[in-house]
Amino acid sequence: SAVISQKPSRDICQRGTSLTIQCQVDSQVTMMFWYRQQPGQSLTLIATANQGSEATYESGFVIDKFPISRPNLTFSTLTVSNMSPEDSSIYLCSVEADGDGYTFGSGTRLTVV
Amino acid sequence: AQSVSQHNHHVILSEAASLELGCNYSYGGTVNLFWYVQYPGQHLQLLLKYFSGDPLVKGIKGFEAEFIKSKFSFNLRKPSVQWSDTAEYFCAVTSYSGGGADGLTFGKGTHLIIQP
Repeated sequence: SAVISQKPSRDICQRGTSLTIQCQVDSQVTMMFWYRQQPGQSLTLIATANQGSEATYESGFVIDKFPISRPNLTFSTLTVSNMSPEDSSIYLCSVEADGDGYTFGSGTRLTVV
Repeated sequence: AQSVSQHNHHVILSEAASLELGCNYSYGGTVNLFWYVQYPGQHLQLLLKYFSGDPLVKGIKGFEAEFIKSKFSFNLRKPSVQWSDTAEYFCAVTSYSGGGADGLTFGKGTHLIIQP
């Protein structure tokens, strides 16, 4: 299955700033997915990133707050913009591997102070 | 829209007890179903998946799940749990649209504690 490298693994950021999270996959994939896991909660899909087109956002998530780039078939970034303490979460990227299920990165633990 | 309901939010069992975690989903079309586990401090790992075929699927670490289409259920089972099974368990569902894989919809999770 695909191997995902995600960084940073954790960060502590000041409110009002932005953080860009990187996700690198060891194979070419069509779709990459970004999730948020708030403290003590389940995972919620933020958006789907398809190479060569704009990301598709789920209800409750907007491009201005969570801009996504997908420059090629192995890489994507998620930016958390103008952060507030409510954005403190674990952010994960995921890929679907040839119909064999979904693989997840190790996540980025973000704390906004 | 899809939704996933996990009935048990916290479960406490003794070692060697049998386990069944309930999962029901809401979606009118063809779905793919998954169970993921998250051990303390670790990232998500796939336990098992159902795409098609035999509705009884076996996964890693002795886990199995049964897809019952008429009940929209995909319950996770293990005949004898171990202390190392203490973790968070997530049921998830997705569908495949014409454009490829869709993202996963997760249940709220079940926190399983196994007492020695």
